[in-house]
Amino acid sequence: SQQGEEDPQALSIQEGENATMNCSYKTSINNLQWYRQNSGRGLVHLILIRSNEREKHSGRLRVTLDTSKKSSSLLITASRAADTASYFCASADYTNAGKSTFGDGTTLTVKP
Amino acid sequence: GAVVSQHPSWVICKSGTSVKIECRSLDFQATTMFWYRQFPKQSLMLMATSNEGSKATYEQGVEKDKFLINHASLTLSTLTVTSAHPEDSSFYICSAFARGAYGYTFGSGTRLTVV
Repeated sequence: SQQGEEDPQALSIQEGENATMNCSYKTSINNLQWYRQNSGRGLVHLILIRSNEREKHSGRLRVTLDTSKKSSSLLITASRAADTASYFCASADYTNAGKSTFGDGTTLTVKP
Repeated sequence: GAVVSQHPSWVICKSGTSVKIECRSLDFQATTMFWYRQFPKQSLMLMATSNEGSKATYEQGVEKDKFLINHASLTLSTLTVTSAHPEDSSFYICSAFARGAYGYTFGSGTRLTVV
């Protein structure tokens, strides 16, 4: 079973608005990564945040990590129609055979 | 940056035939590679962990005789779907693990359709 859980499962917003997605995990991690997947396509790596980091920025993306709550959030600012995709978090635990566990994903729809 | 090449990107095969999918780490050595499967509108489910030079470790419910994994070198792992059936149609993605800045790097995936 998947360890991670994302919420919301689906999010629909207007272009220009901000989108926030949350991810929770259950065990200790070494890092957590966020990925985007367009329908029927492969994964695109967005950002990696290490367990000793609390916040990270990359362009319009902002990721936070709260290890005490075992949760992370992805904020996309000034969204565009091209941001429409599914977003997954993947937690990596190097002590667990290095497995990376994916959440169920959030499907984001940005309306033009 | 770390790049993983997965090939083919899509394949259509007939029921009963076998299909091989390759996963290569292009600019780094990966001691561990992972194979995932994704059904439509679902998340990625780990199928197996592949360690160079040793047998793969399969997740519960994954048939090791059906999904043959070979990790012969530090830069190549292959997944062979044997005697494919329509229910094996799915999106298969590999990832290579490298400690350090990149963590896990994913291939672009292979869309398998069994007809």
